[in-house]
Amino acid sequence: GQNIDQPTEMTATEGAIVQINCTYQTSGFNGLFWYQQHAGEAPTFLSYNVLDGLEEKGRFSSFLSRSKGYSYLLLKELQMKDSASYLCAVKGAGNNRKLIWGLGTSLAVNP
Amino acid sequence: DTAVSQTPKYLVTQMGNDKSIKCEQNLGHDTMYWYKQDSKKFLKIMFSYNNKELIINETVPNRFSPKSPDKAHLNLHINSLELGDSAVYFCASSQDRFMRGEETQYFGPGTRLLVL
Repeated sequence: GQNIDQPTEMTATEGAIVQINCTYQTSGFNGLFWYQQHAGEAPTFLSYNVLDGLEEKGRFSSFLSRSKGYSYLLLKELQMKDSASYLCAVKGAGNNRKLIWGLGTSLAVNP
Repeated sequence: DTAVSQTPKYLVTQMGNDKSIKCEQNLGHDTMYWYKQDSKKFLKIMFSYNNKELIINETVPNRFSPKSPDKAHLNLHINSLELGDSAVYFCASSQDRFMRGEETQYFGPGTRLLVL
């Protein structure tokens, strides 16, 4: 079957660095997405990885290892507004554009 | 200049009623989606249309019927609403980036449906 695993909850301190891991087992691989979802709001796109390595975007970076079926989202210089759910999603094989979604990691940033 | 918009934002209704949710995107994308997010926050794909053609039709009760009059609009009609239909329904759209294969999905603000 197809599966995406992420930790359910994480806590971190303002100003610190946190790494949110995602492992996946899918039929084929055509890219991995990270989304941020604040409570009561829509998911918003953070990053996309299709090749191995690190993609950096300001305070956020995302890493992919296709051979290990593994990705992580790295958040630096944490701010209170980073408290949200972080969703990992994989685009599998086929042309129907369907994403396989993880359950999300709820991150709480404490002062 | 909202990218993906949905109406209504909130919908409270009685069991057994029929209701519709509308979605519009002004991004020029050719693919649109309906998702259901339940109280456990899991995002479940329901339907997807590409240029008005249905391309994803997940295991969803046939009380749910999508309709895409053109590629900028995707509506969702729900017949005989049940208590278990209470959830947040998100519309999303994406553009096929063939060379890069990215197809990032952009979400609307959601419709919060409560069935009493």
